[in-house]
Amino acid sequence: DVKVTQSSRYLVKRTGEKVFLECVQDMDHENMFWYRQDPGLGLRLIYFSYDVKMKEKGDIPEGYSVSREKKERFSLILESASTNQTSMYLCASTSPGQGVQETQYFGPGTRLLVL
Amino acid sequence: AQSVTQPDIHITVSEGASLELRCNYSYGATPYLFWYVQSPGQGLQLLLKYFSGDTLVQGIKGFEAEFKRSQSSFNLRKPSVHWSDAAEYFCAVGTGNTGKLIFGQGTTLQVKP
Repeated sequence: DVKVTQSSRYLVKRTGEKVFLECVQDMDHENMFWYRQDPGLGLRLIYFSYDVKMKEKGDIPEGYSVSREKKERFSLILESASTNQTSMYLCASTSPGQGVQETQYFGPGTRLLVL
Repeated sequence: AQSVTQPDIHITVSEGASLELRCNYSYGATPYLFWYVQSPGQGLQLLLKYFSGDTLVQGIKGFEAEFKRSQSSFNLRKPSVHWSDAAEYFCAVGTGNTGKLIFGQGTTLQVKP
């Protein structure tokens, strides 16, 4: 069965802390994504990666960085957490399509509160 | 620019009633279209997707959606809603084989007993 896991379901951090959110998939997918979800705004893409050590900015990359050292793992880093980064963070993965777009599979999400 | 609009933020229906959730997209080429559902505290689960062919697509949990190119719409329907369908629903358009998706704002469905 398809599996995307995220290291924490809930996280509380202080302003200025460095925060790591981890995502692991077991489907051998090349492409991985980080989104943040806010009420009324839907899901917005922060970063994505289409291969190990490769990354591309999404729509809202400011204040975030990512790391992909292994194919199955994609980390989101908040270098210095701020209160406006309080949100739900969702990780997803997919394989590159062969002429079609494949389904994205999502993890359960991490709800981050920055105080 | 590509975009997805879900005009209804909240919808309330009675259990057993029919449901239609609206989705409009803006995309230059033939779109790849998806509907996802998110139950409280959960990640997103794929309900159905449209790539080509038959414009009426069947999904899981009794849902279906119809692609109408002339209206740039991909509305989600269910003939009889169950209390367990209460959730948030997201429409998304795919932008190609990188797998990137553009999501709508979401529609929260409440089901009255």
